[in-house]
Amino acid sequence: KNEVEQSPQNLTAQEGEFITINCSYSVGISALHWLQQHPGGGIVSLFMLSSGKKKHGRLIATINIQEKHSSLHITASHPRDSAVYICAAAYSGGGADGLTFGKGTHLIIQP
Amino acid sequence: NAGVTQTPKFQVLKTGQSMTLQCAQDMNHEYMSWYRQDPGMGLRLIHYSVGAGITDQGEVPNGYNVSRSTTEDFPLRLLSAAPSQTSVYFCASSLSTGHYGYTFGSGTRLTVV
Repeated sequence: KNEVEQSPQNLTAQEGEFITINCSYSVGISALHWLQQHPGGGIVSLFMLSSGKKKHGRLIATINIQEKHSSLHITASHPRDSAVYICAAAYSGGGADGLTFGKGTHLIIQP
Repeated sequence: NAGVTQTPKFQVLKTGQSMTLQCAQDMNHEYMSWYRQDPGMGLRLIHYSVGAGITDQGEVPNGYNVSRSTTEDFPLRLLSAAPSQTSVYFCASSLSTGHYGYTFGSGTRLTVV
């Protein structure tokens, strides 16, 4: 069974700190997604990447295909960044069964 | 606004009742899917569809039924609700699987008593 592992599960940091969330996955993905979910809220897609690095505002996502690892970074973190961040892999093994999700990282940014 | 519309946002059912969760998208996406989200677990795929008239089972399909008569709509039916189906349900759509971004609905919080 293809799996996606995220770390840490929970992270509390002070406003302004640099945040890193890690994601590792099994072989043969076609794309890696990073999602954001605010408490009681819906899920928003942040990034989809299959190689290299993407940046949007203070968020940066990287992926290392050889190491089967992706990271999500938040620079100059702010309390509004408090949310659950979810990594999801689209496996390239054939079929159309969508994404395999990590369990999420619960991030709290304190003022 | 373009996106995925999911209704209802909240629902309480009694054991044995049936209901339909609605999902509609206006982006002409071929791929639509239903997930459930439970505490301590990642989202799990219930059913998915790669186009009108085509549906298939995901990881946890038991107790649920779907149909895809149009590109826009992908309803999820609970046939006979059980307490184990208490969860938050999300519908999502994408142009296709794999290389395209996903758009999620706002979720349905379902409680079965």
